[in-house]
Amino acid sequence: DAGVIQSPRHEVTEMGQEVTLRCKPISGHNSLFWYRQTMMRGLELLIYFNNNVPIDDSGMPEDRFSAKMPNASFSTLKIQPSEPRDSAVYFCASNLQGNTEAFFGQGTRLTVV
Amino acid sequence: QKEVEQNSGPLSVPEGAIASLNCTYSDRGSQSFFWYRQYSGKSPELIMSIYSNGDKEDGRFTAQLNKASQYVSLLIRDSQPSDSATYLCAVYHNNNDMRFGAGTRLTVKP
Repeated sequence: DAGVIQSPRHEVTEMGQEVTLRCKPISGHNSLFWYRQTMMRGLELLIYFNNNVPIDDSGMPEDRFSAKMPNASFSTLKIQPSEPRDSAVYFCASNLQGNTEAFFGQGTRLTVV
Repeated sequence: QKEVEQNSGPLSVPEGAIASLNCTYSDRGSQSFFWYRQYSGKSPELIMSIYSNGDKEDGRFTAQLNKASQYVSLLIRDSQPSDSATYLCAVYHNNNDMRFGAGTRLTVKP
């Protein structure tokens, strides 16, 4: 398996634009996590899915953020409109079942100017 | 109180020494604990997992868990410059989602 695949690797966009980050989890994994990492706040859990269903989105910072998982092999994190303070590295991770290790994608470095 | 707390460091040790990294967590019902290593500009990768009280050894790495004290630690023996990275403690919160500490930056000096 190629591991968790995220795209794009880098994204530079202007304030106010819509940004969509994509993630393909490891085949057969049941849970998917979206994290945001910054120097100030570390690795923050934004939302996680279990069997394609959003379980906890309490970490999503505000209504500008939304996430979907239409099927077991694909998830998106959308920011609309984007703001400079959204600049961070966004990681997607997946695991086989609860309480087991999570495998991370390479991350998307987002810069909003 | 944050769900997972770590000393942010930086921690500096000489090559060949033992590096000790510590972590405390707030959810007394947590059952699964992990240490990840993250090199600069890279994604976190799993170093150790531990589920039971006591020690678990894997090569130069030893994870220690004390559920009564809500404490997890990672010892790195014979530290190498290649061990220089940020170490992240992760705990399953409410047994549903994985929460991370802020990470401890370790530097091993040759």
